[in-house]
Amino acid sequence: GAGVSQSPSNKVTEKGKDVELRCDPISGHTALYWYRQSLGQGLEFLIYFQGNSAPDKSGLPSDRFSAERTGGSVSTLTIQRTQQEDSAVYLCASSLVGGGAKNIQYFGAGTRLSVL
Amino acid sequence: RKEVEQDPGPFNVPEGATVAFNCTYSNSASQSFFWYRQDCRKEPKLLMSVYSSGNEDGRFTAQLNRASQYISLLIRDSKLSDSATYLCVVKGERGDMRFGAGTRLTVKP
Repeated sequence: GAGVSQSPSNKVTEKGKDVELRCDPISGHTALYWYRQSLGQGLEFLIYFQGNSAPDKSGLPSDRFSAERTGGSVSTLTIQRTQQEDSAVYLCASSLVGGGAKNIQYFGAGTRLSVL
Repeated sequence: RKEVEQDPGPFNVPEGATVAFNCTYSNSASQSFFWYRQDCRKEPKLLMSVYSSGNEDGRFTAQLNRASQYISLLIRDSKLSDSATYLCVVKGERGDMRFGAGTRLTVKP
């Protein structure tokens, strides 16, 4: 597709279970970002991938959170042993790298995670 | 201190009003700046980039003051369709993008 694709769109899980969220960025975009947005709150930065560089993991809230980006394209965000406070919308964005308009991020529709 | 801070709002204004939002950032090495718009239960979308000399796009004007590490967004002649949350975004020197918590605007008839 032409845009950023995220799956699933909704995920309901039980406390303690592991979940995997997928992001398929726009073709050719070398930068990929994960954010978390709780209800009524702003976007919380989680992790940033750029090309083959080591990812910036500074936003991951705990070691239960991890992310991979295989082949410089699709990314998976994994949350282990989910907790109720993990409930949020997880947004993925991608962009080109460079100055000016190359910085523009395009967002997927998000995955709404509910931990019961 | 948060990396990007915005007026919390909410701003409730009548149609036709002029409204201004402010944003400050803490990293003086920040390179690029943007305003995004987010509608309720939707993903953020780019509203406009912010250039050093200031820039205008129709009813929207963005300004940057690097010395004060301050960004602003001015909306003139507000429309009902402008109701949304406006997010200030700052790009760091490593390429990471940091979002403010957003300012909610409601334009009323």
